[in-house]
Amino acid sequence: GAGVSQSPSNKVTEKGKDVELRCDPISGHTALYWYRQSLGQGLEFLIYFQGNSAPDKSGLPSDRFSAERTGGSVSTLTIQRTQQEDSAVYLCASSLRAGTGPLNQPQHFGDGTRLSIL
Amino acid sequence: ILNVEQSPQSLHVQEGDSTNFTCSFPSSNFYALHWYRWETAKSPEALFVMTLNGDEKKKGRISATLNTKEGYSYLYIKGSQPEDSATYLCAFRDSGGYQKVTFGTGTKLQVIP
Repeated sequence: GAGVSQSPSNKVTEKGKDVELRCDPISGHTALYWYRQSLGQGLEFLIYFQGNSAPDKSGLPSDRFSAERTGGSVSTLTIQRTQQEDSAVYLCASSLRAGTGPLNQPQHFGDGTRLSIL
Repeated sequence: ILNVEQSPQSLHVQEGDSTNFTCSFPSSNFYALHWYRWETAKSPEALFVMTLNGDEKKKGRISATLNTKEGYSYLYIKGSQPEDSATYLCAFRDSGGYQKVTFGTGTKLQVIP
């Protein structure tokens, strides 16, 4: 597909379980971002990847959250021992690296994963 | 932590009215400002990328202006239509480091038919 793909689109799980969210960015996009939007809140930055490395993990809310990216492409966000406050829409976005091609690429977003913790 | 603020948080306008809202951002280390439209149950969609002080961009009935010296951008919608109902996000790109993007909290627009 041409766009950013996220799976699953919806996930309902019990408190305490681990979840894994997947993001497949646009081919050739080396920059990848994870965000979340909790109910009534704005877009909260979680982590940024350039290639397979994550130079900015400053938004990860706790050590229960981790993310990896392999092959400069697919990324997974893992939440261990989920809590109710983890319920949110998790969005992934990708872009060309800043300074590559036309100046200042916008980010291209996936449709998100709606995570509900019971 | 960068402060990117949008106002108002939400507004309701009648179909046909024109409206505008504001994004405020740091006036130093400016690299670019992005505007996105985020419709319910969809993903955010890029509207504009603005890089130069005094920039004006237009897409149909939507336009935006940029003042980097004072740190604000305005988004204008002329003759609002129900399909304009969405959350409008601005995102500030920092010139330092990896040009980090910081999103504002958005302005939620509801156009009443």
